[in-house]
Amino acid sequence: DVKVTQSSRYLVKRTGEKVFLECVQDMDHENMFWYRQDPGLGLRLIYFSYDVKMKEKGDIPEGYSVSREKKERFSLILESASTNQTSMYLCASSPQYTGELFFGEGSRLTVL
Amino acid sequence: GEDVEQSLFLSVREGDSSVINCTYTDSSSTYLYWYKQEPGAGLQLLTYIFSNMDMKQDQRLTVLLNKKDKHLSLRIADTQTGDSAIYFCAESKYSGYALNFGKGTSLLVTP
Repeated sequence: DVKVTQSSRYLVKRTGEKVFLECVQDMDHENMFWYRQDPGLGLRLIYFSYDVKMKEKGDIPEGYSVSREKKERFSLILESASTNQTSMYLCASSPQYTGELFFGEGSRLTVL
Repeated sequence: GEDVEQSLFLSVREGDSSVINCTYTDSSSTYLYWYKQEPGAGLQLLTYIFSNMDMKQDQRLTVLLNKKDKHLSLRIADTQTGDSAIYFCAESKYSGYALNFGKGTSLLVTP
């Protein structure tokens, strides 16, 4: 069974903390994505990656960075968390030439 | 990214048909998708259609595409309470490219 695993379902952090959100897929997919989901705003793309050590900015990359050192792992980093980054973060992966994204269950981050 | 618009809410009775509508602005969209999100879960692909098609049927699901009007719809026949979820329309220019999602339509199915 295909699986995208996000390391934490719920996190609470303080303003200014550095936050790591980890995502691992076991399907040998080339593509990986980070979206955030907010009520009334839907899903917005933060960063994506088509290959190891490769990253591309999405629509809202400000305040975030990513790391893809291994094919199966794509990390989202908040260098200095702010309250407006309180959100649900969704990781996804897909094979190289399809738009079928496989999503993790999400990480709900609260920044106080 | 380009805009993908959906109505936010739809309520139907069990056994009726549901129609969820979506409009998009990017005329170069090549692939169009419908995803479903159940409570507390990530999104799951329901179906997709290429821009050179105008209809696709998959069991209870029918997708209609009007490329001229940039309008996509998802019809669910014989809607069940288990179909209650958020439905997202999404588009991309190239297969495998990052998807641009609409805000989602919350479907409520009442007994």
